[in-house]
Amino acid sequence: LAKTTQPISMDSYEGQEVNITCSHNNIATNDYITWYQQFPSQGPRFIIQGYKTKVTNEVASLFIPADRKSSTLSLPRVSLSDTAVYYCLVGPFGANNLFFGTGTRLTVIP
Amino acid sequence: GAVVSQHPSWVICKSGTSVKIECRSLDFQATTMFWYRQFPKQSLMLMATSNEGSKATYEQGVEKDKFLINHASLTLSTLTVTSAHPEDSSFYICSARGSLAGVIKNIQYFGAGTRLSVL
Repeated sequence: LAKTTQPISMDSYEGQEVNITCSHNNIATNDYITWYQQFPSQGPRFIIQGYKTKVTNEVASLFIPADRKSSTLSLPRVSLSDTAVYYCLVGPFGANNLFFGTGTRLTVIP
Repeated sequence: GAVVSQHPSWVICKSGTSVKIECRSLDFQATTMFWYRQFPKQSLMLMATSNEGSKATYEQGVEKDKFLINHASLTLSTLTVTSAHPEDSSFYICSARGSLAGVIKNIQYFGAGTRLSVL
């Protein structure tokens, strides 16, 4: 599985757009990029998944450049309730052994 | 859609006793279920993967005789921590992957987790 690198933590004010970048230099051709959100003492929640270019849903957008060696999760107009740890996972479609790295701890400030 | 229920949410037990944790997919059939463990301030670590009706596949370093996994149906998997000791205290999280309408086929949907405290 491709190793991922994310910032350990980020702070943002309410109402701002937050971009969290994940590096995955050794991503394989059949790898997908998946992001999860985890609140304290809860299981992770699926946010978004993509393979290339841009994916958008009601919660976030995922930007993937042509070389796919990185990806950026974009959260529009964050609120206090978006304070959580965000994990970037890279692996083949349907892979069993997902690797949750350290994640990025996002703190939204009033 | 894609709701995974985990029970109990919190359990305290005495050292040497066994604890069973249930994981149910409520609105989809889970062809594969997963069990993770998470220590405070750390990331999730996969313990084992199970397919309905077959034996679980354990990750390296996870004792299969200590962490018994049963995946008897397409909607239920159980994790039994046998002869629990204080070092087994952790946050245990299950996930499920299925293939019905409204469920993304390759995505793992997670339960809320079970906090186990062994005294």
